[in-house]
Amino acid sequence: QKEVEQDPGPLSVPEGAIVSLNCTYSNSAFQYFMWYRQYSRKGPELLMYTYSSGNKEDGRFTAQVDKSSKYISLFIRDSQPSDSATYLCAMSAGNNRLAFGKGNQVVVIP
Amino acid sequence: DAGITQSPRHKVTETGTPVTLRCHQTENHRYMYWYRQDPGHGLRLIHYSYGVKDTDKGEVSDGYSVSRSKTEDFLLTLESATSSQTSVYFCAISDPGQSSGNTIYFGEGSWLTVV
Repeated sequence: QKEVEQDPGPLSVPEGAIVSLNCTYSNSAFQYFMWYRQYSRKGPELLMYTYSSGNKEDGRFTAQVDKSSKYISLFIRDSQPSDSATYLCAMSAGNNRLAFGKGNQVVVIP
Repeated sequence: DAGITQSPRHKVTETGTPVTLRCHQTENHRYMYWYRQDPGHGLRLIHYSYGVKDTDKGEVSDGYSVSRSKTEDFLLTLESATSSQTSVYFCAISDPGQSSGNTIYFGEGSWLTVV
């Protein structure tokens, strides 16, 4: 079993829809959870950072962590064509080593 | 943008030749990493450094070596390039002293083609 599982998609949604992405993991030591956004031919950029369980909101983006279920989610409200990218989840046990999901490609159709 | 510069950004090389990729940071971060990203595999850690002259292997280190003689520079060397090393390579940095110290920041990538 891989440490982090992420459905690669792709996921196509109409503009204005809510995008829902998720990852599951197996290592109960993970405490830090991140979402990265990667545009084509660019490096991943940090989108959301969460410590332990709970929700975090930043504009149209909401990250949720459920450590009891080993499940994290990213929601994008009022999706825009500019949100078309690959989204990667990542997590760490606090040892400066990250485990990544394989990424989920999202296409927002105008 | 995190202050990370990778060079070269694009390179085509022949099988069997040595190749060195350079990562330069202006953030004074302690940790530096080299990843490769391939379809179907995602990001995989090649080597990382936790200080000057302190390096360790990642999950796909065979055929690669690294060096860090200064805080700001981290070099990745392919001793004898093979076609399986055709990939995009990302440098990344992190610092445990930061408030978000358990996350890392990526450079823009170096596209390497081995023919």
